[in-house]
Amino acid sequence: SALTQPPSASGSPGQSVTISCTGTSGDVGDYKYVSWYQQYPGKAPKLLIYEVTKRPSGVPDRFSASKSGNTASLTVSGLQAEDEADYYCSSYAGSNNLVFGGGTKLTVL
Amino acid sequence: EVKLVESGGDLVQTGGSLRLSCAASGFTFGNYDMHWVRQPPGKGPEWLSHISSGSGSIDYADSVKGRFTISRDNAKNSLYLQMNSLRDEDTALYYCVRTYCSGGTCYSRSSFDIWGQGTMVTVSS
Repeated sequence: SALTQPPSASGSPGQSVTISCTGTSGDVGDYKYVSWYQQYPGKAPKLLIYEVTKRPSGVPDRFSASKSGNTASLTVSGLQAEDEADYYCSSYAGSNNLVFGGGTKLTVL
Repeated sequence: EVKLVESGGDLVQTGGSLRLSCAASGFTFGNYDMHWVRQPPGKGPEWLSHISSGSGSIDYADSVKGRFTISRDNAKNSLYLQMNSLRDEDTALYYCVRTYCSGGTCYSRSSFDIWGQGTMVTVSS
């Protein structure tokens, strides 16, 4: 089953926003392989976070992530207008399967 | 420039077949595990299939197992997805994606760093 994300989140420029991603003990809770992606309208997703907390080179350190139990979280600090996008989490789910979340639309007020 | 370009998407009738292709350039294609991921309009992505660099390991999501077949031709830097018995719920933008590798470790079951622009598949009766 897909991971559960809130449909929307918002914050003002400069603020911090946290997006949750809830799974089960069969995916998020059991594995350290949670990723986060940013997607602009009409564009392909971009990898922001891998292995729960790690950032690929080139991703600003304003993006951070963590996991507790069956819930992973992405925090965007120092919100900027360009952060307005859709955000998706994903997790390895065992048996060579991968599941994505339904996505969260981040609005910068 | 590292690039993936999908092609082959089309409008097809329910029960029909389609073959998607993905042309890779700008990197050593044969060194990377590859995947297909789809995204229905307005919804989240769905992982479909994985193929290892040498085609020795192949996996499918339950939703497409037995209907879709992934393959690759490293000599042609190309990835393919043969889709049979198409259903209305297969309507989506189909992406070819590359496994993310860093520091000698490849996250072939979890993270994707290069995505194509996608090719649209519409299934309708």
